[in-house]
Amino acid sequence: AQSVTQLGSHVSVSEGALVLLRCNYSSSVPPYLFWYVQYPNQGLQLLLKYTSAATLVKGINGFEAEFKKSETSFHLTKPSAHMSDAAEYFCAVSDAPGGSEKLVFGKGTKLTVNP
Amino acid sequence: GAVVSQHPSRVICKSGTSVKIECRSLDFQATTMFWYRQFPKQSLMLMATSNEGSKATYEQGVEKDKFLINHASLTLSTLTVTSAHPEDSSFYICSARGETGEDEKLFFGSGTQLSVL
Repeated sequence: AQSVTQLGSHVSVSEGALVLLRCNYSSSVPPYLFWYVQYPNQGLQLLLKYTSAATLVKGINGFEAEFKKSETSFHLTKPSAHMSDAAEYFCAVSDAPGGSEKLVFGKGTKLTVNP
Repeated sequence: GAVVSQHPSRVICKSGTSVKIECRSLDFQATTMFWYRQFPKQSLMLMATSNEGSKATYEQGVEKDKFLINHASLTLSTLTVTSAHPEDSSFYICSARGETGEDEKLFFGSGTQLSVL
């Protein structure tokens, strides 16, 4: 069985500060890991995904995440927060590389960016 | 880019009534659609997987007679919550699997907030 734990349901940062959203996973098979973002009144959008090609994954909008097998983590970072980054972020795990099979989601982390 | 339209975005209904939620892929054919449910402060949980033209596959603990899923075409799937009760109040979100370019991807609707009084 697969599971995802996102530490912190709410994260608040100042504009220009580092963004760090934490995600730990549990999987009995090599995992494929994803970060999704949901802006108000919109669907989930894929930010980035890990499919075993490289441990440091770069995504859209300046976000990146590093897969650390020893720590079973896939934390999401961005060096400098922008007001437009305020949204809810979901980490997810799948046993399929495209994420087109069953996704197991974390509870989400709401990011607030203060001016 | 590919878009999935989900309607309605918000619905309030009386206990005992049925509610239909639509999920449409606007510019691609979705052979498979997924329905998720999210209770407050909980994860998105997969309810069922539907393939066009065949019966949906429900996750353990999800009542197939209560949550009717129809996927009659490659661009439309519907979820009907029958005889809704307050405990069915939740955020329902669909996703559609389609191909864009070389990749097979998953696209999400914007969700439906269901409140049962």
